[in-house]
Amino acid sequence: DTEVTQTPKHLVMGMTNKKSLKCEQHMGHRAMYWYKQKAKKPPELMFVYSYEKLSINESVPSRFSPECPNSSLLNLHLHALQPEDSALYLCASSQDKTSGRASSYEQYFGPGTRLTVT
Amino acid sequence: QKEVEQNSGPLSVPEGAIASLNCTYSDRGSQSFFWYRQYSGKSPELIMFIYSNGDKEDGRFTAQLNKASQYVSLLIRDSQPSDSATYLCAVIPYNQGGKLIFGQGTELSVKP
Repeated sequence: DTEVTQTPKHLVMGMTNKKSLKCEQHMGHRAMYWYKQKAKKPPELMFVYSYEKLSINESVPSRFSPECPNSSLLNLHLHALQPEDSALYLCASSQDKTSGRASSYEQYFGPGTRLTVT
Repeated sequence: QKEVEQNSGPLSVPEGAIASLNCTYSDRGSQSFFWYRQYSGKSPELIMFIYSNGDKEDGRFTAQLNKASQYVSLLIRDSQPSDSATYLCAVIPYNQGGKLIFGQGTELSVKP
């Protein structure tokens, strides 16, 4: 089973709203990722959690706030977003990012949340 | 120089033909190489991964890796219209702790 789930599928929010995106995996993976993808572009890494600790923040604006409540869950809290933040937000997971074994790095993506900021 | 380069396409092949997708990477120490397929409006789906030089086959898909030339390719045999999608090459450079670097993607169109 390589399933990563994400909710909601679609989200429309105003620039003053606060909302959250949720991601869940039950594969026992210990690394989880948030990506942002604009149309016709590859995914861009935003954050990486490894063993529930934030290990990479790719200089993402503070209006995006990640949270990893436990090893299966990953949230992305959104506040005061701009229209240019409209994109497909993808969650991914992998076994590990620290073991050094190549097979640990296979990342599986969830279906994504299509976010529109008005 | 981009870290991972792919021809953007579109690459058009007739149904039943072999589609050949190519990717080059700049970090000679890279160890892990992946191909993702992404249908329009959907998320990327991992279809192949390869870690050692040579070929790796899975059904109609073959991944080829040549570390000396810093080159990885994906062959799709007996291409079907359902293979029409964007194919993303992704590489984990040396000492990047699992951080995937994506190419820009190659759009494949298989014509019936």
